Amino acid sequence: QQPVQSPQAVILREGEDAVINCSSSKALYSVHWYRQKHGEAPVFLMILLKGGEQKGHDKISASFNEKKQQSSLYLTASQLSYSGTYFCGADRGSTLGRLYFGRGTQLTVWP
Amino acid sequence: AAGVIQSPRHLIKEKRETATLKCYPIPRHDTVYWYQQGPGQDPQFLISFYEKMQSDKGSIPDRFSAQQFSDYHSELNMSSLELGDSALYFCASSHMDGGNIQYFGAGTRLSVL
Repeated sequence: QQPVQSPQAVILREGEDAVINCSSSKALYSVHWYRQKHGEAPVFLMILLKGGEQKGHDKISASFNEKKQQSSLYLTASQLSYSGTYFCGADRGSTLGRLYFGRGTQLTVWP
Repeated sequence: AAGVIQSPRHLIKEKRETATLKCYPIPRHDTVYWYQQGPGQDPQFLISFYEKMQSDKGSIPDRFSAQQFSDYHSELNMSSLELGDSALYFCASSHMDGGNIQYFGAGTRLSVL
């Protein structure tokens, strides 16, 4: 039921780029991306709605391929503050929809 | 800007005891969600409320119950606690017109000994 995220973990140097993927076997209404630091609340990054749009947020952007039911999160020129676990949340369009979260991608950025 | 407030932040209980977790959503948000996150796990949906009515139910044990009050705050009641209930419990809130963007509180860390 839950989306599949890959990779499970990424280690980067400051300034490097990363891509995190999220795919679902079920039709998606939208995809939500969150970043969570250890012991803290997940912080909302962005939402991708049906329509394949790409959104950006500073040096973090994402895309949603509705046909493939896949979303990708792009982190460019990574900063130390990007470290954390990234979760994609799948909204299947149920009324007042619960989110099905992937297992997360742990991103570590080293100086 | 006001955020989702959860209390208490930490809670230590013995097996078979009860616990009550509270959540105060962002003002004017009409929907509250509860998620449970085990160590190293992803958040798992428990239950949600819209306009004080239960709107969806996930993998919530029968020992747990929840409600949303007239002031929109919500409480998660957990009875006959088990060791496996130890987890982070998050509350999130959203507004119906906000595209289901859910904003999470800082969570309550429950430890059952």
